[in-house]
Amino acid sequence: AQSVTQLGSHVSVSEGALVLLRCNYSSSVPPYLFWYVQYPNQGLQLLLKYTTGATLVKGINGFEAEFKKSETSFHLTKPSAHMSDAAEYFCAVRATNAGKSTFGDGTTLTVKP
Amino acid sequence: NAGVTQTPKFQVLKTGQSMTLQCAQDMNHEYMSWYRQDPGMGLRLIHYSVGAGITDQGEVPNGYNVSRSTTEDFPLRLLSAAPSQTSVYFCASSYRPGQGGAYNEQFFGPGTRLTVL
Repeated sequence: AQSVTQLGSHVSVSEGALVLLRCNYSSSVPPYLFWYVQYPNQGLQLLLKYTTGATLVKGINGFEAEFKKSETSFHLTKPSAHMSDAAEYFCAVRATNAGKSTFGDGTTLTVKP
Repeated sequence: NAGVTQTPKFQVLKTGQSMTLQCAQDMNHEYMSWYRQDPGMGLRLIHYSVGAGITDQGEVPNGYNVSRSTTEDFPLRLLSAAPSQTSVYFCASSYRPGQGGAYNEQFFGPGTRLTVL
């Protein structure tokens, strides 16, 4: 069994401020972890992923996330928010012994000028 | 590559009508899935397939059927539409780098916005 919890359904930051979106997961086997972004009226796009190896992973648009096994977390960060980062963000977990993914409920990021 | 395509983009049905949402991918991915997205509920898995001729249920399969006769296509059928099926539907596909390896990220279509009156 696997699950994902995203803390905070809405996050608001000022342009230029740090972005931190939180994701905690549970999985009975070693997981693959993903962050996806969804812009209005579009499908989801991959931001970054952790599969194996380095626990700090970098993605597109300056985002990065760190896999912390001891904390079962995979938080998404970006040092300086841009207006174009306003979107909905989804964390997802996928067990390495199965195909199904489980998604969090999503976090809507608002960036204020 | 067109990636994952879905048709139609929008659809309005009356209660009790049936219809098929089309999904196709041109990446030769063996894994395909259907999700519905409702406000505040993330994405919920309806059905999935790990290859032609193989399908299985997700967490919300009731009222939906799927089949997978080819690697490319994975249509979703609504048997008798109900207002509770008003939602945005996404199809996705995925791959694994090697035989027996784990599935990686999913590639999503643009979605079908369905309203059932």
